[in-house]
Formats: sequence, structure tokens, C-alpha cells
Amino acid sequence: DIQMTQSPSSLSASVGDRVTITCRASQSISSYLNWYQQKPGKAPKLLIFAASSLQSGVPSRFSGSGSGTDFTLTISSLQPEDFATYYCQQSYGNPRTFGQGTKVEIK
Amino acid sequence: QITLKESGPTLVKPTQTLTLTCTFSGFSLTTSGVGVGWIRQPPGKALEWLTLIYWDDDKRYSPSLKSRLTITKDTSKNQVVLTMTNMDPVDTATYYCVHRGGGDAFDIWGQGTMVTVSS
Repeated sequence: DIQMTQSPSSLSASVGDRVTITCRASQSISSYLNWYQQKPGKAPKLLIFAASSLQSGVPSRFSGSGSGTDFTLTISSLQPEDFATYYCQQSYGNPRTFGQGTKVEIK
Repeated sequence: QITLKESGPTLVKPTQTLTLTCTFSGFSLTTSGVGVGWIRQPPGKALEWLTLIYWDDDKRYSPSLKSRLTITKDTSKNQVVLTMTNMDPVDTATYYCVHRGGGDAFDIWGQGTMVTVSS
């Protein structure tokens, strides 16, 4: 299985901050990397697919980059509604695997 | 507009078989490229992918659970059914039905259904 490791596991940030979350794959996955946002009690929501493509309807403050084994999700200016848990997920191999999540909390 | 909704029991006993149904609308599982899958999340834990079925009836399973899982589709009813045998308390989780979209990502999720395994 391809292991996905996110860092940090949690972070505290203020509204307006630039936030970066990293995801590392245990082997090269080209650009087959997706990012999701999950709020408490809700289903996850797709933010970024294919490493850097913004899902329709997602604000442009979210961006993704990377290829191979190292990827980042960046929120350019954190908004109150962005406090949530973020997951990366690889779609290169089976089984599809997720990172352990990064919880973004209010400082 | 694509929607998916999970249905099934909220409580099962250990060793029993769980059957969950995903009823969807807004797309057809006969269209080339389309897929529907299941993902679960134990309380307070991360997401775990379980299985995926494609428009051509190709199926993929998590290797660690493959012996216990079966996924089927009924295109006339717009439904996908997940069966998981020999349930254990560690299988307690919210189970999500998902649509496979562009970029091979899960672009639409059902609301999820919480399943508790307890005697």
C-alpha cells in the first residue's frame, strides 16, 4: 500500500494567515493527489484534484502543488470557515489511501 | 446535480453481516468512466477507502478487507450495495458513499451513515 503522511497533524493559525499543509507519499504517485476538507459532523469536501486543479466552486485562496512524492496544500489567507480538518488522498494505486489528517484550529 | 444517500442499519451485532445501500441520482452508472465507492471513518479517526465499482462492473477492494467485502450495482435502480461480513466492534464507523469524478477524485459524497457494532 502507498502510505500518505501529512504534516503537521494539527496547527493553530489566525484569520488572514497563510497556511501550508504538506503530504508525502511513500512512493512516487505522479500528480495523482487530491485534497479534502472536513468539518465536524460533515462529509468531506473535495478541494483540489490532480495535485493542483481547483474543484469547481472552491475559493481561489486554496491551491495545491507538487508531484512525485511531495505535495502541499496552501490557504493564502485563512478565513473563519476554513477551520477544519484536511486530508490528502492518492489515486495512483489500489488501495486508495488517505493521510491521517491535519486539523486547523483557531489561534 | 449529483446526490448520493446511504441507507442501512445503524446497529449490528458482532459476527453479523452489514448491508448498506447507496441510492444516487444525477448520473448513470452505465456511463463510461463513472464509479461509485465506499469510504469509512471511525469516530475521531481518519478516512479509510474500502471499495469502488466502475461503470463496466470492474471492482476494486481494499486488500486488508477484501475477503469481507462485496460491492454490487443495480443500474435500473441507481443503487450500489456494500456487503461486509463478520462485523466487529472495530468496524464501528461512519460509512460514506462517494462518486468518482474527474482526476479520479471523490468529488461528491453522501451524508454518511453511522454504523455501530455492539452486542
